[in-house]
Amino acid sequence: EAGVAQSPRYKIIEKRQSVAFWCNPISGHATLYWYQQILGQGPKLLIQFQNNGVVDDSQLPKDRFSAERLKGVDSTLKIQPAKLEDSAVYLCASSITGGTEAFFGQGTRLTVV
Amino acid sequence: KQEVTQIPAALSVPEGENLVLNCSFTDSAIYNLQWFRQDPGKGLTSLLLIQSSQREQTSGRLNASLDKSSGRSTLYIAASQPGDSATYLCAVPSPSKLIFGQGTTLQVKP
Repeated sequence: EAGVAQSPRYKIIEKRQSVAFWCNPISGHATLYWYQQILGQGPKLLIQFQNNGVVDDSQLPKDRFSAERLKGVDSTLKIQPAKLEDSAVYLCASSITGGTEAFFGQGTRLTVV
Repeated sequence: KQEVTQIPAALSVPEGENLVLNCSFTDSAIYNLQWFRQDPGKGLTSLLLIQSSQREQTSGRLNASLDKSSGRSTLYIAASQPGDSATYLCAVPSPSKLIFGQGTTLQVKP
């Protein structure tokens, strides 16, 4: 069974530029999560989808971050414009439904200079 | 509001030692708890998931226990090896999103 796929693995951008991350969850998983992990901290939820609907985006900085999961399968997370403090690892995860065992991708390491 | 704490933040042990990592949570109304491993610069690998009805779960040299009433879980690693060096994270769903601890970074010295 294929795992959660993310791309790119690494990205370096200048502040005020835009960037997009892509995630393809495990087939059949209705729930998709995007987490932000700052160095030395545990992951923090940015947004949770159930199929193509948003369940929780309370911690998503909506003035600069956006995410979509249009067909209820893969998802994109965008940052525009990026700030230095956005430097982090962005993790995508999926589960059969919310609260069940979650599986994570390899993450995208973003560096904003 | 669910909060998850992991102590210690870092641990260094000699190879072969048995060790225990701790995870505590404030709201005992959970229906499972998941332990993950994270290697530097990598994503999270699921190690064990314990359902609320279970007291423990085992996988190879790993054993995870859950005590809901006291809000605690432990991850026991037997006969540690240098390859076990990584950060270990615990997480609980609240209600459906995962709330993570800060992690325990383990170094096993040859």
